[in-house]
Amino acid sequence: AQKVTQAQTEISVVEKEDVTLDCVYETRDTTYYLFWYKQPPSGELVFLIRRNSFDEQNEISGRYSWNFQKSTSSFNFTITASQVVDSAVYFCALRLYNNNDMRFGAGTRLTVKP
Amino acid sequence: DGGITQSPKYLFRKEGQNVTLSCEQNLNHDAMYWYRQDPGQGLRLIYYSQIVNDFQKGDIAEGYSVSREKKESFPLTVTSAQKNPTAFYLCASSMDPRTGGLNTEAFFGQGTRLTVV
Repeated sequence: AQKVTQAQTEISVVEKEDVTLDCVYETRDTTYYLFWYKQPPSGELVFLIRRNSFDEQNEISGRYSWNFQKSTSSFNFTITASQVVDSAVYFCALRLYNNNDMRFGAGTRLTVKP
Repeated sequence: DGGITQSPKYLFRKEGQNVTLSCEQNLNHDAMYWYRQDPGQGLRLIYYSQIVNDFQKGDIAEGYSVSREKKESFPLTVTSAQKNPTAFYLCASSMDPRTGGLNTEAFFGQGTRLTVV
C-alpha cells in the first residue's frame, strides 16, 4: 500500500521568512498523482496543487513553489516571504491511478508570527 | 453552486447509537471518500467508492459502514461497534482519471464534527 510521510509536525516562522514543508511518498505504482492541501481553522481542505507522476516540472504560483523529485520520492512545498494568513495545517496526498485510493500524510502545522 | 455538502455540521451521539453522516455532491464525480481526522492528527481513510454500488475499505473501516446507491450520495454510518467515534469527519469527491478525468484532485465538504455524549 502507498504511504505519505510528512516528518515535520509543526513549524513556526516569523513573517517574511521562507519556509519549506517536506513530503516523502512511497508507492510501487508507476502512475500516480501528488497533491498539497491547506486546512485553515475552519476545517475545510483547500486544494493547492496537483502533480502527475510523469511530469517532474517544478511549479511556481505567486509565493508558492513545489519541487517534485521522483529520484527521492519527494514533493516539497516552499512558501516564500511567508505571511500570517499562511498559518494553517498543510497536507500532502498521494492518489493511485489504478484504484483511486488516496492517502494523506499526517500534516504539518505552520504558524507564521507577525 | 457546484460542490460537496456534508450534514449536519455538528452531531452528538449517545453511546450505543448508530448515526449517519450525509455527503452529497453535484460535481458529477465518480469517486467519493470518507476520512476521519482526530485532533492534531492527519486524515485517515475510512472508505472510498469508485462507482455506484461499489466501495472499498480504507485503513480504519471497522465500526463504519457506507452505501453508494446514487452517484451523488455517499452516506457514512458510524455504528455502535466503533469504540471511539468522537472525531471530525470529512467527505470528498473527485474525477476518476481512468474514465477521462484530467483534474484528479479531490474536493472536500466542510466536515461533520461528531461527539459522543
